[in-house]
Amino acid sequence: RKEVEQDPGPFNVPEGATVAFNCTYSNSASQSFFWYRQDCRKEPKLLMSVYSSGNEDGRFTAQLNRASQYISLLIRDSKLSDSATYLCVVSPDTGRRALTFGSGTRLQVQP
Amino acid sequence: DARVTQTPRHKVTEMGQEVTMRCQPILGHNTVFWYRQTMMQGLELLAYFRNRAPLDDSGMPKDRFSAEMPDATLATLKIQPSEPRDSAVYFCASGLVVAGSTDTQYFGPGTRLTVL
Repeated sequence: RKEVEQDPGPFNVPEGATVAFNCTYSNSASQSFFWYRQDCRKEPKLLMSVYSSGNEDGRFTAQLNRASQYISLLIRDSKLSDSATYLCVVSPDTGRRALTFGSGTRLQVQP
Repeated sequence: DARVTQTPRHKVTEMGQEVTMRCQPILGHNTVFWYRQTMMQGLELLAYFRNRAPLDDSGMPKDRFSAEMPDATLATLKIQPSEPRDSAVYFCASGLVVAGSTDTQYFGPGTRLTVL
């Protein structure tokens, strides 16, 4: 079983739609959680950190459920420019302080 | 605007040849990571360094891959001999880790390697 699992998609949605991505992680000792965004043939870039209380950044909302080991990302009023692959990222508490990346969920927003 | 730089951006080589990829981390960052990304495996951590010391290279095939940090401004990843299955995009990332926290990792643009 992979440490971080995501639905690969693709999610094809019209502009203005609300879309949600889910991610599960296997290491219950994980401490830090992130969503990264990767555009086609580009490097991953941090989109937002995910906090236990949930957090929002404009149209983006991230939630963490430690009991279920589940992370979500909600995008409201989606734009064409949101088309990308969204990577769920977890930092395991092994002292390594390295990140474990999910395979990513591809989003295609259509006009 | 500080960025991680990587060279070369593209590399095509023949099986058996040596490949060296270079990375310049963001000035002041104390942690450097090497990742490999393929369609099949996604992003895999190969190795990482803290204050130039290797902390973990368990993700790296030891027989052909080696990673070093000759100084704080340069990290290298070498493959010798290269094989077609090494074809991938190799990303370097750097970050600043203090007091055991996990800080944002900033990725370079990657080296797209093709081994024929």
